[in-house]
Amino acid sequence: ETGVTQSPTHLIKTRGQQVTLRCSSQSGHNTVSWYQQALGQGPQFIFQYYREEENGRGNFPPRFSGLQFPNYSSELNVNALELDDSALYLCASSTQRPGYTFGSGTRLTVV
Amino acid sequence: SQQGEEDPQALSIQEGENATMNCSYKTSINNLQWYRQNSGRGLVHLILIRSNEREKHSGRLRVTLDTSKKSSSLLITASRAADTASYFCATDVEAAGNKLTFGGGTRVLVKP
Repeated sequence: ETGVTQSPTHLIKTRGQQVTLRCSSQSGHNTVSWYQQALGQGPQFIFQYYREEENGRGNFPPRFSGLQFPNYSSELNVNALELDDSALYLCASSTQRPGYTFGSGTRLTVV
Repeated sequence: SQQGEEDPQALSIQEGENATMNCSYKTSINNLQWYRQNSGRGLVHLILIRSNEREKHSGRLRVTLDTSKKSSSLLITASRAADTASYFCATDVEAAGNKLTFGGGTRVLVKP
């Protein structure tokens, strides 16, 4: 059984650019959630996908968007990057039962 | 705003001592979960306690939940240097459906 894999591990982008982060779910998990964790803070819920449909969204602007694919892998896209988007982005997969398996995250730095 | 707030924000103890951290939350929950994070990387699920449970154990971990006070505690007994990490509580709020709201975390340093 594989865990959750995220890519890339680190990324540096310029303000105004667009970025795509990727996540492969744990085998058997049909739900993917994305979280943003600023330095020194707890993770903040961005959105969740269940069977390729968005299934809830946190307090993030529309320039944060996502996709889930038939194999339950997922992408997080952020347009028009701002300096405050610098953070650790965490992907977590789950079934409909509670409890997540998190990936190791992508560290995004916007300069 | 964050649903859960941990206390203390930081904790420094000697190896072998117990570490206790607390979490308070604001709204009714389905369950409360504790996670560990090493060096700003991915979170590891430690333990889940449902709203109708009062206490749960897993190895050296003991979690309590008081829904009347909207609070939970995590006790790590006989701490080890490898327990050095940040610990987060996360609430799964009723009607939200497995979408967690995390607190700010407690940073635990276990000195050898």
